[in-house]
Amino acid sequence: DVKVTQSSRYLVKRTGEKVFLECVQDMDHENMFWYRQDPGLGLRLIYFSYDVKMKEKGDIPEGYSVSREKKERFSLILESASTNQTSMYLCASTSGGGPWETQYFGPGTRLLVL
Amino acid sequence: QKEVEQNSGPLSVPEGAIASLNCTYSDRGSQSFFWYRQYSGKSPELIMSIYSNGDKEDGRFTAQLNKASQYVSLLIRDSQPSDSATYLCAVNGAMASYDKVIFGPGTSLSVIP
Repeated sequence: DVKVTQSSRYLVKRTGEKVFLECVQDMDHENMFWYRQDPGLGLRLIYFSYDVKMKEKGDIPEGYSVSREKKERFSLILESASTNQTSMYLCASTSGGGPWETQYFGPGTRLLVL
Repeated sequence: QKEVEQNSGPLSVPEGAIASLNCTYSDRGSQSFFWYRQYSGKSPELIMSIYSNGDKEDGRFTAQLNKASQYVSLLIRDSQPSDSATYLCAVNGAMASYDKVIFGPGTSLSVIP
């Protein structure tokens, strides 16, 4: 069964802290994605990765970085958390077979930055 | 102009009725179209995908695609309270790479018993 897991369901951090969100998939998928979801704005792509050590910016990469050292793991890093990064963060993966591929999502991490 | 647009709702329908959810997109070369369902507090899950003009049926769900009008819709027949959720339209654009899709803002559906 397809599975994407995220390291935390809820996180509370303080402004200026460095925050790590981790995502692991067990499907041997090529592509992995980080989104944030905010009311009224929908899902917005932050970064994605199409191979180990490869990454590309999405629509809203400012204030974020990512790391993919192993195929199954994709980390999102907030270098210095700010209150406007309070959001729901969703990780997803696809097999990389083409434009018809399903995105499989993790359960999400709800981050509150105080 | 937003790339993928949906009516935000909420859309309320009585139990047993047909719910109609609509989505328009701006990239004329888009190839693949998806409907995801997201229950409150949960992550999105795929319910339908469609790639060719016309209708595609799966149980109580029918996806309709009209590329000339840049329009995709989802019909839910015999709506049930368990269908109450937010429905996200997603489009894989013509120039998209690596399975990237663009999501619409979602339509909130409430099925009233």
